[in-house]
Amino acid sequence: GENVEQHPSTLSVQEGDSAVIKCTYSDSASNYFPWYKQELGKGPQLIIDIRSNVGEKKDQRIAVTLNKTAKHFSLHITETQPEDSAVYFCAAILGGGADGLTFGKGTHLIIQP
Amino acid sequence: EADIYQTPRYLVIGTGKKITLECSQTMGHDKMYWYQQDPGMELHLIHYSYGVNSTEKGDLSSESTVSRIRTEHFPLTLESARPSHTSQYLCASSDRRGVNSPLHFGNGTRLTVT
Repeated sequence: GENVEQHPSTLSVQEGDSAVIKCTYSDSASNYFPWYKQELGKGPQLIIDIRSNVGEKKDQRIAVTLNKTAKHFSLHITETQPEDSAVYFCAAILGGGADGLTFGKGTHLIIQP
Repeated sequence: EADIYQTPRYLVIGTGKKITLECSQTMGHDKMYWYQQDPGMELHLIHYSYGVNSTEKGDLSSESTVSRIRTEHFPLTLESARPSHTSQYLCASSDRRGVNSPLHFGNGTRLTVT
């Protein structure tokens, strides 16, 4: 069936280094790809999203790239800081989008001091 | 900060009890959702609604039921709680005027059934 694959499930990086999380999707008709950050005890919060008419979008230390041909998109965080430690989810609207977003399984990002 | 609220934040209840998890949003969003989040972090859609009097089942089969009598309110009910219902339940909403509108999540209800 339609799904979103996310890797890695856990990522540990030194403070100041970059972190990259990758996702692939199955529905070639998908055209909206958000990323959510979930901190402990809170619900997921949208941090950046990209639509299929662009290949890259940046917001300060966060960027997302999209390759529609290969059906994959990635989250890039530069100059990581302790407050970046959280669980990150990619998502896509699959199968026409009538039933909302389909999420990847999440990446637990750990920033080592 | 999105204006979507879930109560209670934590609930510990015995097997067989009926429970209702509350979700309210003040943004006037038409679409609302319930996700179940397991300990491994994965989010599963269990219910959604396009608007008042609309309710649909999501990808993950759930014994819970929902209702949508008012735009701002989307409660989830379990008639008879079981230990297998122990999980985190997240409510979300989005503005249906855009097909690709972002979801706004509440902070969740962590349910433990003993």
